[in-house]
Amino acid sequence: DTAVSQTPKYLVTQMGNDKSIKCEQNLGHDTMYWYKQDSKKFLKIMFSYNNKELIINETVPNRFSPKSPDKAHLNLHINSLELGDSAVYFCASSQVAGQQETQYFGPGTRLLVL
Amino acid sequence: AQSVTQLDSQVPVFEEAPVELRCNYSSSVSVYLFWYVQYPNQGLQLLLKYLSGSTLVKGINGFEAEFNKSQTSFHLRKPSVHISDTAEYFCAVILNNAGNMLTFGGGTRLMVKP
Repeated sequence: DTAVSQTPKYLVTQMGNDKSIKCEQNLGHDTMYWYKQDSKKFLKIMFSYNNKELIINETVPNRFSPKSPDKAHLNLHINSLELGDSAVYFCASSQVAGQQETQYFGPGTRLLVL
Repeated sequence: AQSVTQLDSQVPVFEEAPVELRCNYSSSVSVYLFWYVQYPNQGLQLLLKYLSGSTLVKGINGFEAEFNKSQTSFHLRKPSVHISDTAEYFCAVILNNAGNMLTFGGGTRLMVKP
């Protein structure tokens, strides 16, 4: 009955590969996000989707492509992985795209690119 | 541009002692303020948030924070910490003209010692 879930929890892969991380929320929320946490614990938003539409797209390489098949899912596909992509990726959701809304985070996906 | 500064990267403290984790922000517009906690190998959990009204906000697990507009601060406090409070704490803001984009500080690692 996890509210925001991510798969896989750990991902180890070689440079140049393409990989996807999946996120699902069962809270009935309209808005979902992807954040990246680097090795120094610095957290930065990457994307935000509201009802399957992109509303925030921070400066992220176009190798990163979010896909929202429905409002309960926001997957992150990464092409041509680079060493610098190693990080923890967090998915989050909020009821609506309001500024006062609490964002609920998933447990994270630890990506290591070798 | 806005930024969030957490002045202390690590705060060691003995069990049952009081603690204050500092957070300052820079913004020329009004903000909404949040504190999140990240336990080891887990996602982020909301501790508390300030949206408007009373500047003293009470959150979960006995934490509270005070919004000080003149000092642009939102310090987190707990009068008596437990070993289980050992975690990474993140301060975050949303500008009221920046959609729902959370901007995080660099985090403060609270280490509670017996």
